[in-house]
Amino acid sequence: EIVLTQSPGTLSLSPGERATLSCRASQSISSSYLAWYQHKPGQAPRLLIYGASDRATGIPRRFSGSGSGTDFTLTISRLEPEDFAVYYCQHYDSSPSLIFGGGTKVEIK
Amino acid sequence: EVQLVESGGGLVQPGRSLRLSCEASGFRFDDYAMHWVRQIPGKGLEWVSGISWNSATMTYADSVKGRFTISRDNAKNSLYLQMNSLRVGDTAFYYCAKDKNLATTGPITYWGQGTLVTVSS
Repeated sequence: EIVLTQSPGTLSLSPGERATLSCRASQSISSSYLAWYQHKPGQAPRLLIYGASDRATGIPRRFSGSGSGTDFTLTISRLEPEDFAVYYCQHYDSSPSLIFGGGTKVEIK
Repeated sequence: EVQLVESGGGLVQPGRSLRLSCEASGFRFDDYAMHWVRQIPGKGLEWVSGISWNSATMTYADSVKGRFTISRDNAKNSLYLQMNSLRVGDTAFYYCAKDKNLATTGPITYWGQGTLVTVSS
């Protein structure tokens, strides 16, 4: 089974800074089936990126995804106060399950 | 506006059963697969189970296989999770989630706010 490893576990940054989050797969996966989610405490998670680089409906341009094979990246170009949250990558179409990474917490420095 | 509202969580003793429900609105329910995803407090997200639009395909995480059963009622725009033989390790927030497609291939496009299940004696 594919394992997704996210790094770093915690990213401490200031508003306005650039955030770069990594998601590494234990074996090569199709970039068509890699998604990123944002999760804030007490709220529903939100789909940010699917197909490795396609922004979901209503997601601001400052969020971008890239990568292929085993290495994928979520970039937040300039952090806004509302962007401090936990971010998860996910491999889908991995029947029978959907696989999540362990998450990266982006916290205010 | 897509809305997914979970209910049925609560405190239950180990070995007992609980049934979660999710009421969907704001989209054509029978056009999409649905999932349950859980989060142990302080931990990450774990996919639990998925069901295709017509209930033809139901899939489960190994950790719940044989104990949990997913179902849906398209006439009632509702998703269910029957949880039997509950364990302390099943304690988590359970999220109802909508797939992007008819089949359970993902990604998940919308999530509910979650309902807390606590398994404790």
